[in-house]
Amino acid sequence: EVQLVDSGGNLVQPGGSLRLSCAASGFTVSTNYMSWVRQAPGKGLEWVSVIYSGGSTYYADSVKGRFTISRDISKNTVYLQMNSLRGEDTAVYYCARHLDGFDFWGQGTMVTVSS
Amino acid sequence: DIQMTQSPSSLSASVGDRVTITCRASQGISNFLAWYQQKPGKVPKLLIYAASILQSGVPSRFSGSGSGTDFTLTISSLQPEDVATYYCQKDNSAPYTFGQGTKLEIK
Repeated sequence: EVQLVDSGGNLVQPGGSLRLSCAASGFTVSTNYMSWVRQAPGKGLEWVSVIYSGGSTYYADSVKGRFTISRDISKNTVYLQMNSLRGEDTAVYYCARHLDGFDFWGQGTMVTVSS
Repeated sequence: DIQMTQSPSSLSASVGDRVTITCRASQGISNFLAWYQQKPGKVPKLLIYAASILQSGVPSRFSGSGSGTDFTLTISSLQPEDVATYYCQKDNSAPYTFGQGTKLEIK
């Protein structure tokens, strides 16, 4: 059974850092495209970043230079390292498998950036 | 970057109605278009990919059409459990931009 478990969300001060994790089971992250999507409170979905099966990465302009997506094949886990956090980064962050559309999603983890 | 624009932003319809939501891409994306349903407090769910292919387990009252820049999500007979916000998404290459969402309510 395919499952994604998101974790690592927390309250952090502006300018701080946080690392989110997405632990996968039932499939191999290294042979799939994996994305992070976020949703600010009361707002719509915003795509954040993708790591392709070949290892290439892409980012939304809003996070470029501050966020880094990576994966650990041995742990079958995808990460999102978030630095220089701002208030507008406050959101629920979801990881998702990208096959035909984003077919499986994690449950989401809440990141709150506030002093 | 390609922008995705949905209309309407909100919609109220009666049970049994036929409901149509449209999505327009600022440039052609062939059929690389997905639709998602997000119920309040829940994780988004994939409904349709490749513009018209129904994801496994999705009721057949949902259908999608379109190609190029103009796409449509149709619910043939609205049910109470269809209350949700619906999003389109370009699925051809990064950035995988979502539309702003269409909130569907029951009259």
